Amino acid sequence: NAGVTQTPKFQVLKTGQSMTLQCAQDMNHEYMSWYRQDPGMGLRLIHYSVGAGITDQGEVPNGYNVSRSTTEDFPLRLLSAAPSQTSVYFCASSQGQQGRPQHFGDGTRLSIL
Amino acid sequence: AQSVTQLDSQVPVFEEAPVELRCNYSSSVSVYLFWYVQYPNQGLQLLLKYLSGSTLVKGINGFEAEFNKSQTSFHLRKPSVHISDTAEYFCAVVLKGGATNKLIFGTGTLLAVQP
Repeated sequence: NAGVTQTPKFQVLKTGQSMTLQCAQDMNHEYMSWYRQDPGMGLRLIHYSVGAGITDQGEVPNGYNVSRSTTEDFPLRLLSAAPSQTSVYFCASSQGQQGRPQHFGDGTRLSIL
Repeated sequence: AQSVTQLDSQVPVFEEAPVELRCNYSSSVSVYLFWYVQYPNQGLQLLLKYLSGSTLVKGINGFEAEFNKSQTSFHLRKPSVHISDTAEYFCAVVLKGGATNKLIFGTGTLLAVQP
């Protein structure tokens, strides 16, 4: 069972470039989300989705777009990369009911020069 | 606004000693409570959770936590730590009654176990 798979694991971008971070889960989970992790700040929610075709903003959505065309995939797009977006990005998924434990990918380490 | 506070950013402890990692939350509604662990260069793994019932919950790797509603706390404890417990630990809540399973995280506590 693969669980939550994130690609790539590492990426270096130049300011202004765009890219897509991929996230896929094979557990048929309704709920998926993206977090960024920065030193001393814990994990902050960027965007989330409660099912295919439904997305919403989290705490820090600016500069990021998402879509959810299938249950399995939830890509995160950086429209025009900025140094402030240098971070470690985690994708997570869970069953839709509240209180269900979330399963995390191994993260994408992104550096913006 | 809802928030989760982990008072200690780093906790050094000797191997085989007991440890307590503190977590307090602030919320106008009831919450579900979680502890996650992150080993170096890995994602987060669920350690334990409190949904309802007994306020003392046991998790993996010998950890336990106690929910104290009056003090709005959910401290994590282990009676004897091992070198392999060195990791970052995150406390998190989900607000009950909402339409989503959104997690609100604390800032994390780095547990550094020394031989």
